[in-house]
Amino acid sequence: SQQGEEDPQALSIQEGENATMNCSYKTSINNLQWYRQNSGRGLVHLILIRSNEREKHSGRLRVTLDTSKKSSSLLITASRAADTASYFCATEAAGNKLTFGGGTRVLVKP
Amino acid sequence: SQTIHQWPATLVQPVGSPLSLECTVEGTSNPNLYWYRQAAGRGLQLLFYSVGIGQISSEVPQNLSASRPQDRQFILSSKKLLLSDSGFYLCAWRGVGTNQPQHFGDGTRLSIL
Repeated sequence: SQQGEEDPQALSIQEGENATMNCSYKTSINNLQWYRQNSGRGLVHLILIRSNEREKHSGRLRVTLDTSKKSSSLLITASRAADTASYFCATEAAGNKLTFGGGTRVLVKP
Repeated sequence: SQTIHQWPATLVQPVGSPLSLECTVEGTSNPNLYWYRQAAGRGLQLLFYSVGIGQISSEVPQNLSASRPQDRQFILSSKKLLLSDSGFYLCAWRGVGTNQPQHFGDGTRLSIL
């Protein structure tokens, strides 16, 4: 079963707009990670946020984590056509294994 | 710097044929290694992971097996492929220690005819 569930499943925005996607999970975690996948390619790691962190930034990316609600969000600011991809959250509990959600497909229109 | 190689990129195999997919990692020692399968438009399902040579953990019962003959080599195999084995297979590595990300290869698109 999937630990993380992303919402929405798909998102279409204009270039320059912000994109926000959410992830919910069910059990206690050590950290939560976000990955990007371009069509037909492998996953690229974006951000790792630890269970004792609430917010993290990397360039145009902002991730929040609310462990009380078991949820996380990924915000992409000032989106570009190159941000078109699928975005996955993944949770790591014990055992150094990741459990992935189903992903959010983001389309950024020029 | 670390790199991960996965091949072949695409593979078309008949039902009942054997399978061998290889993944190698460079620039790191004693990595954790992982095999995932991804159905079209879906998330990743963990198939196998390994914390060391000869140490394989299977996550789901299936028609596949994995082996780690060397520290930085991870092989996914099958003796007889089924139609349901079609999918996108991804290899990944992770460094030792807590709170480490995983790093993925470019995947193998496997089609069973």
